[in-house]
Amino acid sequence: DGGITQSPKYLFRKEGQNVTLSCEQNLNHDAMYWYRQDPGQGLRLIYYSQIVNDFQKGDIAEGYSVSREKKESFPLTVTSAQKNPTAFYLCASSTYGQISNYGYTFGSGTRLTVV
Amino acid sequence: GEDVEQSLFLSVREGDSSVINCTYTDSSSTYLYWYKQEPGAGLQLLTYIFSNMDMKQDQRLTVLLNKKDKHLSLRIADTQTGDSAIYFCAERTYNTDKLIFGTGTRLQVFP
Repeated sequence: DGGITQSPKYLFRKEGQNVTLSCEQNLNHDAMYWYRQDPGQGLRLIYYSQIVNDFQKGDIAEGYSVSREKKESFPLTVTSAQKNPTAFYLCASSTYGQISNYGYTFGSGTRLTVV
Repeated sequence: GEDVEQSLFLSVREGDSSVINCTYTDSSSTYLYWYKQEPGAGLQLLTYIFSNMDMKQDQRLTVLLNKKDKHLSLRIADTQTGDSAIYFCAERTYNTDKLIFGTGTRLQVFP
């Protein structure tokens, strides 16, 4: 079955460390997105990529980095420059350049906690 | 700019109808969506409506769109405890593939 997989489900980070969250999709979607979710704040866009080897900053990109070397994969690195990284991170994908009524397909999320 | 607003909480009795409301600001929206998020999980697409429609019904779900007032609502008939979740509305504008999400409404269903 096609889908989008995020790993790990839970991640703990020590202060000063970089950590990388994985996101893989086998839906043949062109576009991929990373969101951060905090209680009462909805979803905030971190980075998105509409094509391989290209990506754009979202609303809260500071302290994060991404790569898009393969169509299927869009890993997110939370760097030590991100001062408040504890949150729930969601990855999503969609078709791009087509009139699509299906919106985004989401992964099941990664909960990152600073210890 | 683009902005999507929702109330944060809604509490209903099991068997009653729930109505979750959403307002948006971008008049060029093409599709509007409702997503459901259960605890600790990702978002699941519930339904969507194209901007040239006023209403869409899908089993227990009814979506109403008032383009003049930029108001979207989701009605859940015969609400069950399994409907307890956070519900997000989202808009997709004409010239972009990005979705703009609301803050989410937490629906609590009590017996």
